[in-house]
Amino acid sequence: QKEVEQNSGPLSVPEGAIASLNCTYSDRGSQSFFWYRQYSGKSPELIMFIYSNGDKEDGRFTAQLNKASQYVSLLIRDSQPSDSATYLCAVWSYSGAGSYQLTFGKGTKLSVIP
Amino acid sequence: IAGITQAPTSQILAAGRRMTLRCTQDMRHNAMYWYRQDLGLGLRLIHYSNTAGTTGKGEVPDGYSVSRANTDDFPLTLASAVPSQTSVYFCASSASPGNQPQHFGDGTRLSIL
Repeated sequence: QKEVEQNSGPLSVPEGAIASLNCTYSDRGSQSFFWYRQYSGKSPELIMFIYSNGDKEDGRFTAQLNKASQYVSLLIRDSQPSDSATYLCAVWSYSGAGSYQLTFGKGTKLSVIP
Repeated sequence: IAGITQAPTSQILAAGRRMTLRCTQDMRHNAMYWYRQDLGLGLRLIHYSNTAGTTGKGEVPDGYSVSRANTDDFPLTLASAVPSQTSVYFCASSASPGNQPQHFGDGTRLSIL
């Protein structure tokens, strides 16, 4: 069973600071990595995806991937109270019998303090 | 507005009853998925469909069945509901099967008594 690990949190940061969310995965052959944001009682919302080693930036969000170390991170710059949510890391990996699936971590709860 | 529509939004069901959760997408996505989300366990894949006419089993398929008669619809059926199937169910889709971003519906909150 492929595993995706995240610290459950809560991670508390002051407004305006950088929030750093981390994720490790067990399948060395994984190729695609996704970050979802989920507000309480709502559905997951895709915010970033990354396929290649290095950094990918989109507005205040930066995804970082290091395949050799099997970790992917999400940085949120200038954190806002509206960023308070649970962030889910998801990894596309081989699940056996010729099939692949998206495996989700259990999520890190972020709280941005005004 | 393009997206994924799930119905019902919530449901309370007696154990042993049959229930079908509906999922419809209007994005012409080929691949569709059903997940359940439980506190402490995260999102787990129940069944998937890579294209109309095909389905596959995910991580937790027991007690559930799906069909994919056309591109847009992907219903999930609980033949005889049990309390352990109490969960929030999300339908998702992606443009193609494989490492493409998946987009989620608003979910169905199901309670089995």
